[in-house]
Amino acid sequence: EVVMTQSPLSLPVTLGQPASISCTSSQGLVHSDGNTYLNWFQQRPGQSPRRLLYQVSKRDSEVPDRFSGSGSGTDFTLKISRVEAEDVGVYYCMQGTDWPPITFGQGTRLEI
Amino acid sequence: EVALVESGGGLVQPGGSLRLSCAASGFTFSSSWMSWVRQAPGKGLEWVANIKRSGSDQYYADSVKGRFTISRDNTKNSLSLQMTDLRVEDTAVYYCARGLGGSDWGRGVLVTVSS
Repeated sequence: EVVMTQSPLSLPVTLGQPASISCTSSQGLVHSDGNTYLNWFQQRPGQSPRRLLYQVSKRDSEVPDRFSGSGSGTDFTLKISRVEAEDVGVYYCMQGTDWPPITFGQGTRLEI
Repeated sequence: EVALVESGGGLVQPGGSLRLSCAASGFTFSSSWMSWVRQAPGKGLEWVANIKRSGSDQYYADSVKGRFTISRDNTKNSLSLQMTDLRVEDTAVYYCARGLGGSDWGRGVLVTVSS
């Protein structure tokens, strides 16, 4: 099973400032088809998860461009260039390269 | 617009059964893998099961294997999760999600297993 480890687990931020969340996998996430199936999700308080990024860095539709993803191999990062109030919530990384099982990180709580 | 609407949750005693459903619309259901993901109260996300586009193959988390069955009806754009031998630790909000990568999610349905 691929273990996904996020850090930090809690991230206090200031409005307008950047934020960064790290996600490390216990093994490389490059699939045999050449793609890396590493996704990022946002879960606002009281809401369902929403996918922000897929295959490391591809933004889903209507996701603001202040969200970006990077990384390769076992180390990945979600960056928010300038935090806004609506970004408060919990962020999860997820790997879909080596499954079953599909595995999620523990979640990082972003708070203002 | 994509919509996934779960139903069938509720309170059930340990050892009991429950069937969840997910009504899908706004996309070609038969062309999408589908998933169930759950979230225990105050906890993170846990993948539960996936089913192939045709329904021919299903995959399960070890924690539910042998107790849960995922199925789909492509003629009705519907996804189901039959849950048997429920345990207290199965208490969670269950989400229906589109695809292996979770591109879209429903609002979830609460399943509470308690005596």
